[in-house]
Order: sequence, then structure tokens, then C-alpha cells
Amino acid sequence: KQEVTQIPAALSVPEGENLVLNCSFTDSAIYNLQWFRQDPGKGLTSLLLIQSSQREQTSGRLNASLDKSSGRSTLYIAASQPGDSATYLCAVPYYGNNRLAFGKGNQVVVIP
Amino acid sequence: SAVISQKPSRDICQRGTSLTIQCQVDSQVTMMFWYRQQPGQSLTLIATANQGSEATYESGFVIDKFPISRPNLTFSTLTVSNMSPEDSSIYLCSVWGYNEQFFGPGTRLTVL
Repeated sequence: KQEVTQIPAALSVPEGENLVLNCSFTDSAIYNLQWFRQDPGKGLTSLLLIQSSQREQTSGRLNASLDKSSGRSTLYIAASQPGDSATYLCAVPYYGNNRLAFGKGNQVVVIP
Repeated sequence: SAVISQKPSRDICQRGTSLTIQCQVDSQVTMMFWYRQQPGQSLTLIATANQGSEATYESGFVIDKFPISRPNLTFSTLTVSNMSPEDSSIYLCSVWGYNEQFFGPGTRLTVL
């Protein structure tokens, strides 16, 4: 079964710094990889979806890269803001295209 | 994108009782998914619900504990039966659409 690991588990950065969040997965035969944001006690908001044929995907200050062969993805958040404080979850499909295996998340605090 | 609503948003229940969680989607979907997020843990898939057929449960989850209904293409319910404090979690409904996964806001359950 797909295992997903996210490092670091938690980090605090001063406002304005760039964030680098790492995700690794054990089975590289994936269709895609999705990054989500979760605010405390809330549901998930989809941030970026990278198809297996892509190497990166960008949305505003967010950029996600995918190295499928090495089983890694990185989420970059440029010029962090206090509103970026949340838990970021990485997820990859297993047993097909729509059951997702999640990492435990990167808990981010951006200090004003 | 798909818009998903869940009811209730949160509840506090007594040990031994049952709670039914509702999930409504704004469009017709073939597959709906139920996930659990225990405190401090990642999301784990409970089951996949297809309209007109029995739900498919993941390893470690059984129908007697988590019965699921899927009466039509926009609605599903998950019941958490004979609850214990270990069932305290966020329960999330999700759907697969437009090549990505969308999640509802979640139901925060506390069992005393």
C-alpha cells in the first residue's frame, strides 16, 4: 500500500520568508499528486494537482514540483503571510485513480 | 469544481450511541468517499460508496460499525455505530471529479 511521508512535521517562519514543504511516497506508479490545505478543525481545500506527466504546477505564490521516479514532491510558498498558517497535506492515489493516501501534514505557522 | 456540504458540522455524543452524518453534493457523481481523521493523524479512507450497490470498505473498517447509504447520485450518509471515545474524529466526505478530489467541510465528532 502507498505510504506518504511529509517533512518537516511542523515549522514556524517569520512573515515574508519562503516555505519549502516536502512529501515523499513509496509507490512511484501514480496518476497524480494533490496538495491540500487544512485549517484547524476544518475540511480540506485543494491547492494544486500535478499530473504524473508534469514536473510542476503553479498557482499564485504556490509552486509544486513532482519527481515521480524518486517518489518526491515539494510545495513552495513564496513570501509567506500569516494567512498561510495551516496544515498542508500531500495525497497520492492508490489502487487506481481516486482512493487517496495522505501524509500526516506539514503544520505551518507564519509569524507576523 | 464540486461543492459538498455535510451535516452536522460537529456533535458531542455519549458512548454507546450512534450518529448519522449526511453528505450532499451539488452535482451527480458516481463515487463518493468517506474519510476519517483522528486527532493528530492523517486522513484514512473508510469506504467508497457507489449508488445502487454496497459500499466497499477498506481494511480495518466494517459495515456493522460504519453503515453507509447511497440512495442517489448526489447524497450519502455514514453512520458511526455504538460509539466509543476512540471514534472521536473529523469525518469527511469527498468526491472525485474533474480529475481531482474535492472534500466537504467535515463533521467533528467528540464521544464522551
